[in-house]
Amino acid sequence: EPEVTQTPSHQVTQMGQEVILRCVPISNHLYFYWYRQILGQKVEFLVSFYNNEISEKSEIFDDQFSVERPDGSNFTLKIRSTKLEDSAMYFCASSGPSGAPYEQYFGPGTRLTVT
Amino acid sequence: QKEVEQNSGPLSVPEGAIASLNCTYSDRGSQSFFWYRQYSGKSPELIMSIYSNGDKEDGRFTAQLNKASQYVSLLIRDSQPSDSATYLCAVTLQPTTGNQFYFGTGTSLTVIP
Repeated sequence: EPEVTQTPSHQVTQMGQEVILRCVPISNHLYFYWYRQILGQKVEFLVSFYNNEISEKSEIFDDQFSVERPDGSNFTLKIRSTKLEDSAMYFCASSGPSGAPYEQYFGPGTRLTVT
Repeated sequence: QKEVEQNSGPLSVPEGAIASLNCTYSDRGSQSFFWYRQYSGKSPELIMSIYSNGDKEDGRFTAQLNKASQYVSLLIRDSQPSDSATYLCAVTLQPTTGNQFYFGTGTSLTVIP
């Protein structure tokens, strides 16, 4: 069964450093998302991406964040200058248009630890 | 503010019983509703989606939606210890692909053998 994959599974970085989180969405999906979940809190939307541009973004997704689809398979989230409060699980998700297009399927996540 | 409220639990049920999980949402314009299961330290796993009022059944799971009451629920029949997890309710405002999900904080379910 197709699934979303993410690398790395765990990233440790120092405050102020840049990190890039990578995702490979389900191959026939066209819509891609990043969410984050701070430990013990709810899953929060960061950004959605379609047709090589951002469709929607939350207030969390400020100028420190960027997304890119560098090739036909990868979808990346870059955090330019990490802060302690960026420590969280970051989930990539993808959806549609085939099957049930509104349903979003999540990858296993990247645990980001900022020290 | 788009609020999705869930009772955080923990909810404990004996094996074989019916577990009932509830979710309310604040935005009357919400269009699509989803239930995810999340094991500790893992990612959300889609269980069911529901878009119109009424019940939708899939195996041991039944989702119920009442848009007038702004209420969606998930029933798990014949609960198994493997169902022990946190159940997340998610809603979207637009009936189109590509829109953000608003998640609740989740209800922790424990099924006691």
